[in-house]
Parts: sequence; structure tokens; C-alpha cells
Amino acid sequence: DTGVSQDPRHKITKRGQNVTFRCDPISEHNRLYWYRQTLGQGPEFLTYFQNEAQLEKSRLLSDRFSAERPKGSFSTLEIQRTEQGDSAMYLCASSLRGRLGNTIYFGEGSWLTVV
Amino acid sequence: AQTVTQSQPEMSVQEAETVTLSCTYDTSENNYYLFWYKQPPSRQMILVIRQEAYKQQNATENRFSVNFQKAAKSFSLKISDSQLGDTAMYFCAFMKVNYGGSQGNLIFGKGTKLSVKP
Repeated sequence: DTGVSQDPRHKITKRGQNVTFRCDPISEHNRLYWYRQTLGQGPEFLTYFQNEAQLEKSRLLSDRFSAERPKGSFSTLEIQRTEQGDSAMYLCASSLRGRLGNTIYFGEGSWLTVV
Repeated sequence: AQTVTQSQPEMSVQEAETVTLSCTYDTSENNYYLFWYKQPPSRQMILVIRQEAYKQQNATENRFSVNFQKAAKSFSLKISDSQLGDTAMYFCAFMKVNYGGSQGNLIFGKGTKLSVKP
């Protein structure tokens, strides 16, 4: 396994622009999570997928946020009309089958800075 | 709603000594999992140890062990023989069990920054 891969690792964007992050989970992991982490805080849950189905969304996921996992493999998280408050690290994680006790593995995160 | 509280924003320990990180949580669930994750500076989050709520025996992983007190909703992490590589943010996390027995999402505390000094 090559681990959970996220791209880009760092993104600086101007307020109002759209950004997209990509996550490649560990091969054969069918559960994929997105979290947001700001400085000095723990990760906050955004959404998760089981295969291509988006099973749960946090109320943190405003209308400007959309996540997809079209073929049940990689996932994208798009933020439209970015605001300075969107500056954070966006973490992707995956696990096998969502089975109880299976470890959730995290990627290294994608840092977003909105200027 | 579940909450996780880590009351120690920062801690330090001398190399080779023992340190305990505190965590309390609030839930009305009876079946859940608890975790400690480690996040080194600019590195990915990795699992340190996990505890199933239905197990009375405290989990151990080499130098890492937990003190799980279900009635008190307390879940502390003890690191023995601290090493310089243990320097990191440590997050306590709660996972509920979904209907049907599958994983829920992780709910994290704010973290404790641990510094191991030589």
C-alpha cells in the first residue's frame, strides 16, 4: 500500500476563487472521509463515502463545498467562492469496508490559504 | 451529540520518563470505540492505540497504554520510556457505531502538544 495520497499539498488562492483537492485512498478501501483541521484544533468531520455513495455530510459542509467520488476510487473536494475562513488543512482518510475495528488511515493533508 | 475534551493543551516530559495525557468524552451511546492518534509536525496522523468500549481490559501497544474508565467517561494515554520521536500532537477521538454495526465518523478533541526533551 502506498498510503492515502492527497494533491495538492499546498494551495494559495485569492478570495472568491474556486479550489479542488484530490484524494486517492489506499487501494481497495471503500470508505473515504474528508476532515478539516484549523491551527490548534482537532480535525472536524466534513463528509464520508462508502464506495461512490455519500453517506453523511456535516453541517460544516456549506453549499460552497461539494465532494464527489464518481467511481468509488479517488475523491475530490471542491470549494467554490473561497473565503478567508476556509483557510485550513483538509484531511482525507480511508478504511476498508467501514467495518468496526478497521483502522482509519489518514493522508498528509492539503493546506489551503485564502488571501 | 458526542464531545471529546482534552484539558492539557501542552505537556512536556524528559526522555525515558513516563507521561499521561488526559481525555474525557461525553456520549449517551453504549457501544463505541476510542482512539489516540499521533500527528508529528508536518506529518500525517497515525493511529497509536484503540479501545473497544465493551472491553474492560485496557489496551496496550508496546510503550503505549490506556486507562479506560467507562463510567467516568475517561480515556487517558500513558507513554512509558518516552522517546524524542514521541514529540507530536496527540488527539483523542471517539467513534460511534452506526446502526448495522459499521463505523461512524471520528470525533476528535483539540489535542495535546507533547514535547519530549533530551
